[in-house]
Amino acid sequence: EDKVVQSPLSLVVHEGDTVTLNCSYEVTNFRSLLWYKQEKKAPTFLFMLTSSGIEKKSGRLSSILDKKELFSILNITATQTGDSAIYLCALTTGGTSYGKLTFGQGTILTVHP
Amino acid sequence: GAVVSQHPSRVICKSGTSVKIECRSLDFQATTMFWYRQFPKQSLMLMATSNEGSKATYEQGVEKDKFLINHASLTLSTLTVTSAHPEDSSFYICSASPRALQETQYFGPGTRLLVL
Repeated sequence: EDKVVQSPLSLVVHEGDTVTLNCSYEVTNFRSLLWYKQEKKAPTFLFMLTSSGIEKKSGRLSSILDKKELFSILNITATQTGDSAIYLCALTTGGTSYGKLTFGQGTILTVHP
Repeated sequence: GAVVSQHPSRVICKSGTSVKIECRSLDFQATTMFWYRQFPKQSLMLMATSNEGSKATYEQGVEKDKFLINHASLTLSTLTVTSAHPEDSSFYICSASPRALQETQYFGPGTRLLVL
């Protein structure tokens, strides 16, 4: 059975801190790993990673995938209160499950002023 | 582009009634739509995968007779919660995959269901 594990489950920091969120996985037929941010409503897409070692960056957020060690990290530098959200890691696989997303439990990030 | 809408955004109903939730892809055709359920402070749990013109594929433990899914067109899927009970109260989210980008899912804003 495919498994996605995120850590920590929750994190409380102050504005300006840097945070690293972890996502490890065990899947057969890996295709891609995605990061989403969820505030009050539906998740919004952050990154999709398919290749090892290539960092994806968007402003203060960056992410990288290690397909040998089966994990990904999401970094947020100089955190702001608007970064408070649930961060979700999800995987897609091939075969009959093509297109399905398997989500991790999520990391609840709280950024205090 | 790539907007997915859900209707209604919030619904309160009495126990025993049925509730229909619509999911529409507004500016693209979606061969596949997915329905998720989310409890407070938890992650999304996939309920079923809906392919246009065919029967939905349900995840283990999800009752297909309770959660009826219809994907009648390339832009619309509906989820009907039949004979709703208080334990069905949850946040229901749909997502849609465009034909050309099947690994990308765009999420709707979700529907909050409260069954009294």
